Amino acid sequence: EDQVTQSPEALRLQEGESSSLNCSYTVSGLRGLFWYRQDPGKGPEFLFTLYSAGEEKEKERLKATLTKKESFLHITAPKPEDSATYLCAVRPNAGNMLTFGGGTRLMVKP
Amino acid sequence: GAGVSQSPSNKVTEKGKDVELRCDPISGHTALYWYRQSLGQGLEFLIYFQGNSAPDKSGLPSDRFSAERTGGSVSTLTIQRTQQEDSAVYLCASSLGLAVETQYFGPGTRLLVL
Repeated sequence: EDQVTQSPEALRLQEGESSSLNCSYTVSGLRGLFWYRQDPGKGPEFLFTLYSAGEEKEKERLKATLTKKESFLHITAPKPEDSATYLCAVRPNAGNMLTFGGGTRLMVKP
Repeated sequence: GAGVSQSPSNKVTEKGKDVELRCDPISGHTALYWYRQSLGQGLEFLIYFQGNSAPDKSGLPSDRFSAERTGGSVSTLTIQRTQQEDSAVYLCASSLGLAVETQYFGPGTRLLVL
């Protein structure tokens, strides 16, 4: 059974204080690992897809990396508008649905 | 371009009533997914449609839940004889097709069963 565990559950940062969010996974053959951002009352917004260990992708202050067991979402010099819940999900080679982790709720204080 | 749209945004119903939730996928997307997001459970897969193939219903929690997709586009998720534990946000997502994995989500329908 595919499993995704995200840590920490919640993270409070001061504006400008860089940090990382963790996503540990077990999957029977990884087809892709996905990061989404979700704001309160809205649906998840796609951020990144990673396909193989060693891959990295960047978007503004966010960088996602992937190993064979986990993925990190690094946030550099965060701003208050980066406050949201960040969701990690995996899709196996054999299967059509995403398995999501519980999310990390990020709060960035000015 | 237009994203995935869902209606209604919010739905309050009484226990035992049936509800229908609607999803309009992104134009041209052949794959459509339904997920449920509830407190303490995270996002759970319910059902997925791909073109004219038989849907994958492996995530439906009970036979009170069903879904259909008409004309390869709009989908309706129906919950019969609603229970309080059905209260959740129901999210729809679509993607270009099986070979292109990125799923784009709609804003969700917030269902409250009293």
